[in-house]
Amino acid sequence: NAGVTQTPKFQVLKTGQSMTLQCAQDMNHEYMSWYRQDPGMGLRLIHYSVGAGITDQGEVPNGYNVSRSTTEDFPLRLLSAAPSQTSVYFCASSLGVLGYEQYFGPGTRLTVT
Amino acid sequence: KQEVTQIPAALSVPEGENLVLNCSFTDSAIYNLQWFRQDPGKGLTSLLLIQSSQREQTSGRLNASLDKSSGRSTLYIAASQPGDSATYLCAAHSGGGADGLTFGKGTHLIIQP
Repeated sequence: NAGVTQTPKFQVLKTGQSMTLQCAQDMNHEYMSWYRQDPGMGLRLIHYSVGAGITDQGEVPNGYNVSRSTTEDFPLRLLSAAPSQTSVYFCASSLGVLGYEQYFGPGTRLTVT
Repeated sequence: KQEVTQIPAALSVPEGENLVLNCSFTDSAIYNLQWFRQDPGKGLTSLLLIQSSQREQTSGRLNASLDKSSGRSTLYIAASQPGDSATYLCAAHSGGGADGLTFGKGTHLIIQP
């Protein structure tokens, strides 16, 4: 198993550009989520999904969209990038919502200029 | 709202010492608590998951304890090695997808050879 994979590893955007961060898992996990990690802030939940076709907002959802058309994939879209979205983005997955170990991807380091 | 605090923020000890990392949380109604390791520029590696009904979990030289009533968890590392140098994060799962995991800001650990 490859586990949780994310692409790209690094990305530089100009303010106003849009892009999609890819996340995939091959463990048949129902629950997937996106976090951002900022210095001094810790990791914060952006969006999550409890299964294909179901998504919901986390703590900091503004400026981001998600969709879950398959169990395996959970892309994160930045609609119009802003410097405040400069961060490291992590995707995570677990077998279910409650009581299950969460597995994280290697992260995408995004810089918005 | 759940808040997670980790003390100390940084710790440097000689190789071979036993050490304890502390994690406290404000809302004792958690489903589980998970400890992670993060190496510089890398993703999060799960170390131990403690369910709310458990008191401790062990994996090799690592032992994590949980005291829900006092809102505390500790990660004990025995016979520390330079390879243990990393940032250690604890995360509380308070239930409900919207809550996701609430992370502490981590303890940056350096083991001196």
